[in-house]
Amino acid sequence: QLVLTQSPSASASLGASVKLTCTLSSGHSNYAIAWHQHQPEKGPRFLMKFNSDGSLTKGDGIPDRFSGSSSGAERYLTISSLQSEDEADYYCQTWATGFHVFGSGTKVTVL
Amino acid sequence: EVQLLESGGGVVQPGGSLRLSCTGSGFIFSRYAMTWVRQAPGKGLEWVSIITGSSGPTYYADSLKGRFTMSRDNSKNTVYLQLNSLRSDDTAVYYCAKAPDSGAHDAFHVWGQGTMVTVSS
Repeated sequence: QLVLTQSPSASASLGASVKLTCTLSSGHSNYAIAWHQHQPEKGPRFLMKFNSDGSLTKGDGIPDRFSGSSSGAERYLTISSLQSEDEADYYCQTWATGFHVFGSGTKVTVL
Repeated sequence: EVQLLESGGGVVQPGGSLRLSCTGSGFIFSRYAMTWVRQAPGKGLEWVSIITGSSGPTYYADSLKGRFTMSRDNSKNTVYLQLNSLRSDDTAVYYCAKAPDSGAHDAFHVWGQGTMVTVSS
């Protein structure tokens, strides 16, 4: 079963960095995934996509402070130079034939 | 600028129906797959359905099959989500989003602001 696992929360100080993890379920380690930011009272925003070939595609206008990396079944989103507006929920998304799946989300708190 | 605007949300009694709309602008609407995602209060994002750009296959979350129907009218740059036999656990903000091409299997690149559906007696 295709499942994405995320930690429920993460925090870091203003100006610091935070690294979020999205883990693909066993047998699905080569799947493409995307990261989305969801700020309160707004629609979600696409941040980036990890393609199945390992390449990365960022959304339009996404600052360089947002970067991605991967290792095995884990996909990482790193936010550098944290700003107050980065306080949000972050979701990973993947897909297979006929359906899409979201992780449970990670709430980022800027201290 | 690519924009998506949802409408049609509101308060409905259990067992009732509602039709949500999502109108796109700033892009050639017919060329892109469109999707609906919802978020119940205090919960995470849940994928609902997706329709391909050519009005080809439409896919649904297994838990919603039979109650929800997604369609599109490319002449109106609009997709619809018909919600039937509504239950209290359908209460959520419903977002539409745009895929990067006509296919049903990719990331969602642009999102709308959402429309609230409340199922309550």
